[in-house]
Amino acid sequence: DAKTTQPTSMDCAEGRAANLPCNHSTISGNEYVYWYRQIHSQGPQYIIHGLKNNETNEMASLIITEDRKSSTLILPHATLRDTAVYYCIVRVDWKWGGATNKLIFGTGTLLAVQP
Amino acid sequence: GAVVSQHPSWVICKSGTSVKIECRSLDFQATTMFWYRQFPKQSLMLMATSNEGSKATYEQGVEKDKFLINHASLTLSTLTVTSAHPEDSSFYICSAIDSGNYGYTFGSGTRLTVV
Repeated sequence: DAKTTQPTSMDCAEGRAANLPCNHSTISGNEYVYWYRQIHSQGPQYIIHGLKNNETNEMASLIITEDRKSSTLILPHATLRDTAVYYCIVRVDWKWGGATNKLIFGTGTLLAVQP
Repeated sequence: GAVVSQHPSWVICKSGTSVKIECRSLDFQATTMFWYRQFPKQSLMLMATSNEGSKATYEQGVEKDKFLINHASLTLSTLTVTSAHPEDSSFYICSAIDSGNYGYTFGSGTRLTVV
């Protein structure tokens, strides 16, 4: 699975949009970009995933560049409860992962939403 | 949505004793579950892949005789930390693949403290 690079930490003002970048320059054609977050002392929570088109759900938007070498997770109106570590993971869709279905986490970005 | 229940949420045990952690998929069947360990201020580290009805697959460096994994049914996987020592104190998290969801659903984690 392709490796990702994320900033170690970011700050965001409450009510503002939080834009979290992720570089994945070695991504393969069949690899998806997944985003998870982990609030302190809890298990990770799925946010969104995409292949090449931009995606939006009730939690966030995912913008993937045309060359697919980077992406940005957007939380449109950050709240204090969005303070968490955000993980960007690149891998083939689990349906085709077979024996390699394991999900490997990098170091992630600690997003601190400030009041 | 898919729910993974993990029990207990925290446990304190004496050095040398064994501790069992349960991971249950509540509303779906999970042929594959994963066990992670997380030390303070670090990312999740995959320990092993648990497969229903067969032996678990351990990641390199994880002692299979120390971390016993049993996946006897499609809704339950257990992790037993045998002869626990203070260095085994950590946050243990399980995950399961839900074929009807976006793949990976995580439990809320178990905080193990060995004294």
